Amino acid sequence: DIQMTQSPSSLSASVGDRVTITCQASQDISNYLNWYQQKPGKAPKLLIYDASNLETGVPSRFSGSGSGTDFTFTISSLQPEDIATYYCQQYDNLPQMYTFGQGTKLEIK
Amino acid sequence: QVQLVQSGAEVKKPGASVKVSCKASGYTFTSYGISWVRQAPGQGLEWMGWISAYNGNTNYAQKLQGRVTMTTDTSTSTAYMELRSLRSDDTAVYYCARVDPVVAGYDYWGQGTLVTVSS
Repeated sequence: DIQMTQSPSSLSASVGDRVTITCQASQDISNYLNWYQQKPGKAPKLLIYDASNLETGVPSRFSGSGSGTDFTFTISSLQPEDIATYYCQQYDNLPQMYTFGQGTKLEIK
Repeated sequence: QVQLVQSGAEVKKPGASVKVSCKASGYTFTSYGISWVRQAPGQGLEWMGWISAYNGNTNYAQKLQGRVTMTTDTSTSTAYMELRSLRSDDTAVYYCARVDPVVAGYDYWGQGTLVTVSS
């Protein structure tokens, strides 16, 4: 099974800061990588799909990059409403199989 | 608008089974897959499995093989997840999510169902 290593596990930043989260796969997953945001008590929300594509309606301050085994999620200018836990998710189509990273809890400094 | 509405909270004893439903509306049910994801209290997201609403094909997480069954009823656009031989560490919020066939991301989610396993 493919393992996903997400870091850091928690992060404290100020409003306006650039925030970066990384996710590393245990083997080459091409660009089969999604990013989600989860606020307390809510279901996760898809932000980025296929490593770098912004889901419809998601603010452009969110972005993703990478391919192969190393991926990065970036918030260009942190806003108060971005406080949440962020997860990467690897997927495989044959068969349909998914693995989540451990999550990064983002807090305001 | 797309909606996934899940059944209500459950309290079960160890060894029992639970069946959670996920009723879809606002889209063609058979054109998308459904995945189930759970989240234990204070923990991260755990993928449980996937089912094609088109042909019923399934794939389950290895650690749940033999205890979980996912099904769909296309006549009511409802997906089901049954988990058997419940243990205390199955206590979690269980989510269904629609799987976009093009991008394989989970673009819509149910509201979650809390399943508590306690003697």
